[in-house]
Amino acid sequence: AQSVTQLDSHVSVSEGTPVLLRCNYSSSYSPSLFWYVQHPNKGLQLLLKYTSAATLVKGINGFEAEFKKSETSFHLTKPSAHMSDAAEYFCVVSLQVGDMRFGAGTRLTVKP
Amino acid sequence: EAQVTQNPRYLITVTGKKLTVTCSQNMNHEYMSWYRQDPGLGLRQIYYSMNVEVTDKGDVPEGYKVSRKEKRNFPLILESPSPNQTSLYFCASSARDIYEQYFGPGTRLTVT
Repeated sequence: AQSVTQLDSHVSVSEGTPVLLRCNYSSSYSPSLFWYVQHPNKGLQLLLKYTSAATLVKGINGFEAEFKKSETSFHLTKPSAHMSDAAEYFCVVSLQVGDMRFGAGTRLTVKP
Repeated sequence: EAQVTQNPRYLITVTGKKLTVTCSQNMNHEYMSWYRQDPGLGLRQIYYSMNVEVTDKGDVPEGYKVSRKEKRNFPLILESPSPNQTSLYFCASSARDIYEQYFGPGTRLTVT
């Protein structure tokens, strides 16, 4: 079975400071991993994905994530937060097409 | 423009009154899925379809029905809605060999 745990339900940062959203996964095989973002009253947008290529994955809007197999982690980072980054972020694990398991989400607040 | 559309976007109904939420994609994707999103639980899969006339239960199928008569459409049917089905619903699609799913804008359903 596969699952994903987002370690923080809420993260608050100041504008211009780094962002770290933590995600651990559980999977019997090498999974594909994703981060999706959901802005208030909006749908889900793909930020980045890992599918067994480079372990450091760059996404949109300056976000990146590193796949660490030894730690079963896929943490999302950004060097400098913007007000527009305030949203809900979901870590997702998938072993096969269509079988996506979502974490509970992390709400990111950015303070001016 | 490649997209997944859902209708209606907002719906308020009463217990027991049958309703259908439509989902359509224009990307010729084989795979389609329905999720519900509830606070603190992330997205949970209700039903999915690997292709026309092929559907299967996800993690939370009770109280829902689906059909896949055409490749582009995947309606979600609530035969007798109950208040615990009040939620935000997302439809998603993906190609057969791609893990990434494309999401619709969401349908906010309230059952009173």
